[in-house]
Amino acid sequence: AQSVTQLDSQVPVFEEAPVELRCNYSSSVSVYLFWYVQYPNQGLQLLLKYLSGSTLVKSINGFEAEFNKSQTSFHLRKPSVHISDTAEYFCAVTFTGGGNKLTFGTGTQLKVEL
Amino acid sequence: EAGVAQSPRYKIIEKRQSVAFWCNPISGHATLYWYQQILGQGPKLLIQFQNNGVVDDSQLPKDRFSAERLKGVDSTLKIQPAKLEDSAVYLCASSPGGAGGATYEQYFGPGTRLTVT
Repeated sequence: AQSVTQLDSQVPVFEEAPVELRCNYSSSVSVYLFWYVQYPNQGLQLLLKYLSGSTLVKSINGFEAEFNKSQTSFHLRKPSVHISDTAEYFCAVTFTGGGNKLTFGTGTQLKVEL
Repeated sequence: EAGVAQSPRYKIIEKRQSVAFWCNPISGHATLYWYQQILGQGPKLLIQFQNNGVVDDSQLPKDRFSAERLKGVDSTLKIQPAKLEDSAVYLCASSPGGAGGATYEQYFGPGTRLTVT
């Protein structure tokens, strides 16, 4: 069975500072990895995904994540955050042949302060 | 294109009452999912449909929860009778591919926040 661990439940950071949100997964088979963002009172939006190919994937708003198979990690990074990045971020995994069933982590609340 | 629509957005009921949620997926999406998101936790899959057939309902509490997707388009999720621990946000999502399809991106609706008192 697959599982996802997000060790940090909350990450406070000042505006324009860098941030890293950690995600580790457990799976005995090949996986596909995702980061979703949830703004207050809204549904989840896909931020970026790793399916295959380059292990470094990027979003249109400056986030990036790197798939590290040896460390079973998919950490999310941004070199300079903005107030508007304040939201909850969920890491999720599915696996080949798994019927597209997503397993989510418990989420990390990113709070950007002035 | 229009996103995933859900209604109602909020619902407050007393325990032992029944409640129903509605979801209309993105047009043409074959697969529809219902998730339960309890405060402080990540979403948990309750049931997955491909067209109008159930692919996975292993985590659906079938003694009180039921779901259907007639005609392979919109879907309803029902709870009867509700318990206090059912208080959560119920998210609907859809994806274009089938259960074994090549695309894995799921598109989520805004959710229905259920409070059971």
